Amino acid sequence: EDQVTQSPEALRLQEGESSSLNCSYTVSGLRGLFWYRQDPGKGPEFLFTLYSAGEEKEKERLKATLTKKESFLHITAPKPEDSATYLCAVQATGFQKLVFGTGTRLLVSP
Amino acid sequence: DTGVSQDPRHKITKRGQNVTFRCDPISEHNRLYWYRQTLGQGPEFLTYFQNEAQLEKSRLLSDRFSAERPKGSFSTLEIQRTEQGDSAMYLCATRPLNTEAFFGQGTRLTVV
Repeated sequence: EDQVTQSPEALRLQEGESSSLNCSYTVSGLRGLFWYRQDPGKGPEFLFTLYSAGEEKEKERLKATLTKKESFLHITAPKPEDSATYLCAVQATGFQKLVFGTGTRLLVSP
Repeated sequence: DTGVSQDPRHKITKRGQNVTFRCDPISEHNRLYWYRQTLGQGPEFLTYFQNEAQLEKSRLLSDRFSAERPKGSFSTLEIQRTEQGDSAMYLCATRPLNTEAFFGQGTRLTVV
């Protein structure tokens, strides 16, 4: 069964303190790995899609990387507005559904 | 704003009552999904439509749950005889061919 595990469950950073979030996955055949940001009471907001090992994507202070077993979301010099829950999801080949992890709650203090 | 609209945003109902939620997708997106999210968890897949055809259903979708997408446009999710365990955020997502999914803001259901 396809599975996604995210760590840590929660992370508290000072503004400007860089760190990484981890997403480990097992999937029968990877069609794509997705990163979403979710603010309280709102729907997930798309950040990145990664398709193959070695692929990297960047957007502002965020950079996502992918290996055959895990993905990292690197946050460089975070700001308080980066505080949110970050969700990782995988789509298996031949299926349409996304399988999500439980997310990492990030709090960035000024 | 992703362009995916869900209505209502909040619903409080008594146990045993039926509820219906609506999702209006981005017009050119032929793929539509329903997910359920409980507090502290990631979204869980419920069902998938391609145009008007319901092609995937989760085991989570018990007999009390039914979803429709008439004419491949808007979609409805109905829960019959609600139970307290049905309390959750119900999310709709749509996507065009082979790209990322765009989520709506969700409907928060509370069963009392």
